[in-house]
Amino acid sequence: AQSVTQLDSHVSVSEGTPVLLRCNYSSSYSPSLFWYVQHPNKGLQLLLKYTSAATLVKGINGFEAEFKKSETSFHLTKPSAHMSDAAEYFCVVSGLRNQGGKLIFGQGTELSVKP
Amino acid sequence: EAGVTQFPSHSVIEKGQTVTLRCDPISGHDNLYWYRRVMGKEIKFLLHFVKESKQDESGMPNNRFLAERTGGTYSTLKVQPAELEDSGVYFCASSRDRIGYTFGSGTRLTVV
Repeated sequence: AQSVTQLDSHVSVSEGTPVLLRCNYSSSYSPSLFWYVQHPNKGLQLLLKYTSAATLVKGINGFEAEFKKSETSFHLTKPSAHMSDAAEYFCVVSGLRNQGGKLIFGQGTELSVKP
Repeated sequence: EAGVTQFPSHSVIEKGQTVTLRCDPISGHDNLYWYRRVMGKEIKFLLHFVKESKQDESGMPNNRFLAERTGGTYSTLKVQPAELEDSGVYFCASSRDRIGYTFGSGTRLTVV
């Protein structure tokens, strides 16, 4: 079975400082992993995805994540936070495609950005 | 291409009433998923359609929930009768290949 754990429910950073949102996964096979973001009163937007190609994945808005199999981690980073990054972020693992590909979500991390 | 559309965006109903949520997937996406997030919990899978067929409904909480996808196009999720614990945000997603998923903006359901 697959699962995903986001290690922080809330992260607060100052504008211009780095962002690190932590995610660990558990999977019995090589997983597909995603980060989604939800801004207030908006839908879920895909930031980036890992599907067994390059382990360092670049996404939108300057975010990137590194797949580390040995650590079963897929942490999300950004060098410099912007006020518009304030949102809730979800780490997601996908089930096997031939078993439907349903997504398993982490608990979410609320990112606050201080001026 | 147009995105995934859900409506209504908000719904407030009384306990015991019926509510129907609708999802219009991206045209050509055979896979349609429903998820929901109840207050304070993580987003959880409800069910998966492939065209008009239910592929996996293991996440449906009970028989008060009924999902349909007539003709393999849009889908509806009916809750009848609604209970207080059904309050939350209901998301729909569609996918062509089960690798890329596009989500709708969600329906916020409040049962009072």
